[in-house]
Amino acid sequence: GQNIDQPTEMTATEGAIVQINCTYQTSGFNGLFWYQQHAGEAPTFLSYNVLDGLEEKGRFSSFLSRSKGYSYLLLKELQMKDSASYLCAVAGEGQNFVFGPGTRLSVLP
Amino acid sequence: DTAVSQTPKYLVTQMGNDKSIKCEQNLGHDTMYWYKQDSKKFLKIMFSYNNKELIINETVPNRFSPKSPDKAHLNLHINSLELGDSAVYFCASRESGSWTGELFFGEGSRLTVL
Repeated sequence: GQNIDQPTEMTATEGAIVQINCTYQTSGFNGLFWYQQHAGEAPTFLSYNVLDGLEEKGRFSSFLSRSKGYSYLLLKELQMKDSASYLCAVAGEGQNFVFGPGTRLSVLP
Repeated sequence: DTAVSQTPKYLVTQMGNDKSIKCEQNLGHDTMYWYKQDSKKFLKIMFSYNNKELIINETVPNRFSPKSPDKAHLNLHINSLELGDSAVYFCASRESGSWTGELFFGEGSRLTVL
């Protein structure tokens, strides 16, 4: 079966750092993805991890531990425009691509 | 040029009607998906096609029937619409040849059943 878990909501202050966690148990593993989705829009790709460790991309970084079934997305120097939902997704066996429930992040001034 | 395009963007209809949503991608990808995002914002996979062949068919009522005339198109037909079908339906595509390939999403089709 597939199970991906994330916190439902998080709040942080502009300029701060926030870490959004994701745990997963899936049939097969071929990579973990993070997507950002603003209200009323389609999800957009942020990052991809298939090996253990940290991937950095500007203000955003993503970490993966396959043995623990765990990932996090780190957002630095938060801006108001970062207020959005962040979706953790796993590419499983076959062409399966399963999303977690998403974490709604609110950035306050 | 839009990479993944869906039509219509908005659809309002009565219970019991039949409706279709169309999707086209110009990225040359060989795998396409339909996802449903309900009011709680959970993005749930419905179907996936690889080179016109159905490869993923999640627990979805028979009223939903996908069709892929070619690998660039994936349409979704819904019969006898119910109130619970109200949601945003996203089409997406990716290249199966590489597991680094992320999903590219269309803008979504918001279906409202009255």
